[in-house]
Amino acid sequence: AQSVTQLGSHVSVSEGALVLLRCNYSSSVPPYLFWYVQYPNQGLQLLLKYTTGATLVKGINGFEAEFKKSETSFHLTKPSAHMSDAAEYFCAVSSFSGGSYIPTFGRGTSLIVHP
Amino acid sequence: DVKVTQSSRYLVKRTGEKVFLECVQDMDHENMFWYRQDPGLGLRLIYFSYDVKMKEKGDIPEGYSVSREKKERFSLILESASTNQTSMYLCASSLGGGRNSPLHFGNGTRLTVT
Repeated sequence: AQSVTQLGSHVSVSEGALVLLRCNYSSSVPPYLFWYVQYPNQGLQLLLKYTTGATLVKGINGFEAEFKKSETSFHLTKPSAHMSDAAEYFCAVSSFSGGSYIPTFGRGTSLIVHP
Repeated sequence: DVKVTQSSRYLVKRTGEKVFLECVQDMDHENMFWYRQDPGLGLRLIYFSYDVKMKEKGDIPEGYSVSREKKERFSLILESASTNQTSMYLCASSLGGGRNSPLHFGNGTRLTVT
């Protein structure tokens, strides 16, 4: 079974500081990895995804993530935090089951941005 | 742009009531999902469907059932609501056919069972 671990349920940064949200996965096959963001009172929306090819993936709103197979990691970064980045972030790994790809989500990391 | 619409943002029901949560998507997606979101637990899969009239259990199907009579609509049913089913429920859809496409989510239904 595939699983995802997000280190830290809350991450607090100052506006303008580097954002680093950690995600480690376990998978017996080459993984398909995703980061989603959830703003208050909304559903989740896709930030970025890794399938195959380039290990550095760029997403929306200045976020990017690097797939490191040797570390089984897919950490999310942004060079400079903005107040509008405050949200819940979820890492997910996809596995094939019951005729389709089914994502398994981590428990989420709440990003807090201080002025 | 894909739109996934959940019929209610907030619902308050009494213990023992039968509850229907409705979800409609407008992009002809094969796959549809129901997740439950609780603080500290992330998203947990209740049921999913990869075709009309097809359904598969997820990680926490107990106390729930689903119905998919049309491709665009996926309903979650709580046969007899209990207080431990108070939660945020998220519906999602994605392309099927073996394609590993991302999920598109609705805005969620916050259900309170009293």
